[in-house]
Amino acid sequence: QKEVEQNSGPLSVPEGAIASLNCTYSDRGSQSFFWYRQYSGKSPELIMSIYSNGDKEDGRFTAQLNKASQYVSLLIRDSQPSDSATYLCAVNWGGSYIPTFGRGTSLIVHP
Amino acid sequence: EAGVVQSPRYKIIEKKQPVAFWCNPISGHNTLYWYLQNLGQGPELLIRYENEEAVDDSQLPKDRFSAERLKGVDSTLKIQPAELGDSAVYLCASSLEGPGTGQETQYFGPGTRLLVL
Repeated sequence: QKEVEQNSGPLSVPEGAIASLNCTYSDRGSQSFFWYRQYSGKSPELIMSIYSNGDKEDGRFTAQLNKASQYVSLLIRDSQPSDSATYLCAVNWGGSYIPTFGRGTSLIVHP
Repeated sequence: EAGVVQSPRYKIIEKKQPVAFWCNPISGHNTLYWYLQNLGQGPELLIRYENEEAVDDSQLPKDRFSAERLKGVDSTLKIQPAELGDSAVYLCASSLEGPGTGQETQYFGPGTRLLVL
């Protein structure tokens, strides 16, 4: 069974701090990785995708991938109250290609 | 560019009744996904279409759920008969191409919230 694990949180950080969200996955054959943000009562929206080991930066967001450790993370710099949401990690596997989502980490950014 | 469109947005039915959800993907997107999301959980794939072909339906409860994408564009997901445990949000997503192609970023519709009484 291919699994994607996330700490459900909530992760609480002060405004302006760095929020670090983590995700582990069970299959070394995984090919692509995605972070989605989901506000309460809304549908997921893509933040970033990452395919290769290392860091990928987009504005205040940095995704980090380490395939050897089967670990992908999302850093949010200068966190804002508007970043308060659930962050979903998604993995596309090789072979069957059934995309799998983690249960999400709830982030709370307090003023 | 219009996003993924879903209807209805909300549906309340009694158990054992049928229900159908409709999805229109982003224009030009070949791949369409139906997900189920329960409260506090991530989306779970029900079925994936490449054009009009269902290529991943192993997680679709086929005794009561059915789906179609006849012309490779919009899609319908049906439940008949609905059970209490089917209460959830049903999400449709689309991508240019399927997983593993590098053009697999999924864009989600607003979802349909189903309540079965």
